[in-house]
Amino acid sequence: RKEVEQDPGPFNVPEGATVAFNCTYSNSASQSFFWYRQDCRKEPKLLMSVYSSGNEDGRFTAQLNRASQYISLLIRDSKLSDSATYLCVVNIGGSQGNLIFGKGTKLSVKP
Amino acid sequence: SQTIHQWPATLVQPVGSPLSLECTVEGTSNPNLYWYRQAAGRGLQLLFYSVGIGQISSEVPQNLSASRPQDRQFILSSKKLLLSDSGFYLCAWSAQAETQYFGPGTRLLVL
Repeated sequence: RKEVEQDPGPFNVPEGATVAFNCTYSNSASQSFFWYRQDCRKEPKLLMSVYSSGNEDGRFTAQLNRASQYISLLIRDSKLSDSATYLCVVNIGGSQGNLIFGKGTKLSVKP
Repeated sequence: SQTIHQWPATLVQPVGSPLSLECTVEGTSNPNLYWYRQAAGRGLQLLFYSVGIGQISSEVPQNLSASRPQDRQFILSSKKLLLSDSGFYLCAWSAQAETQYFGPGTRLLVL
């Protein structure tokens, strides 16, 4: 089983749509969780951390279910500029900060 | 604020040639530093990480090496490149194993 699994997509949605991405992780000792965004041919950039209580940042909502080892990202009112690949990232701990990256889910928002 | 630089931005090298990629971080002290590779259609693979000057840990066996001659400088090298070394090389930093922030990357094509 892969350490971090995501649906690769692509998700093709119209502007204004709500879209949800899911991610599962295999290491039950994982300590912290993130969503990164990567534009084509660019570096990944931190979108948001994911907390057990769930957290929201504008149109973006992240949820964590530790029991099911499941993370989600919800994007409301999609914009053209949201088109990118969204990476689910898990920190499995250790002094070096060991991040495990999913392969990403590609989102394409169309006018 | 912290910034991270990588150069060159792109590189085309023949098989068997040497390689040196440089990464520098500004605005922070004693960061954890990381080298990743992202091959086409694949996820981010951690190659090396460093928690201090001269301290390098390797995650995967390969013909690449890394060095950290100064606190905020991280270098990725190879004596002889292989075709399979082509990819997008990303340097990242973190403060005490927290969230990682990426540089703009170097796109390497080995012919």
